[in-house]
Amino acid sequence: AQSVTQLDSQVPVFEEAPVELRCNYSSSVSVYLFWYVQYPNQGLQLLLKYLSGSTLVESINGFEAEFNKSQTSFHLRKPSVHISDTAEYFCAVSDSYNQGGKLIFGQGTELSVKP
Amino acid sequence: KAGVTQTPRYLIKTRGQQVTLSCSPISGHRSVSWYQQTPGQGLQFLFEYFSETQRNKGNFPGRFSGRQFSNSRSEMNVSTLELGDSALYLCASFTGTPGLNTEAFFGQGTRLTVV
Repeated sequence: AQSVTQLDSQVPVFEEAPVELRCNYSSSVSVYLFWYVQYPNQGLQLLLKYLSGSTLVESINGFEAEFNKSQTSFHLRKPSVHISDTAEYFCAVSDSYNQGGKLIFGQGTELSVKP
Repeated sequence: KAGVTQTPRYLIKTRGQQVTLSCSPISGHRSVSWYQQTPGQGLQFLFEYFSETQRNKGNFPGRFSGRQFSNSRSEMNVSTLELGDSALYLCASFTGTPGLNTEAFFGQGTRLTVV
């Protein structure tokens, strides 16, 4: 069975500092990997995804994540965070058969950016 | 292009009652998935539908059911409500079809409170 572990439940960081949110997954099959962001009282928004090809994927707002198959990780990074990045971040996995239709989520990491 | 619409946004029900939640996917999307989000269990997959057929089902009791109509709109039903069913219920619709690359778009959710 697939599972996702987000190693930090809360990450406090100062504005303009770098941040890394860690995600490890467990799966015996080929996977697709996703990061979603959730703002209070909102649904989930896709931040970035790895389906195939280059192992480094980037979002339009400066986040990036690297798929590391040997370490079964998909950590999310941003070199300089803003107050507006304060939100909860979820790592998710789906197997290549389901193609994203059935997502298994980690428990979430609450990112708190302080001025 | 309108996003995923979930109705109602908020709902209060009494233990033992039943409830129906509705999800209208993005126009042209034929796949819909449902998730339950609670502080203790996080985001858990409920079920997935494609062209009116259930493709996957999560590990929930039979009190949780769903269906999809010919216009791709989906409903989920919870019978004999329990206090533990209080949660944010999220619906996602998907681009593409199973077997091809897909991306999930989430609605804002229905906040169900069971008293």
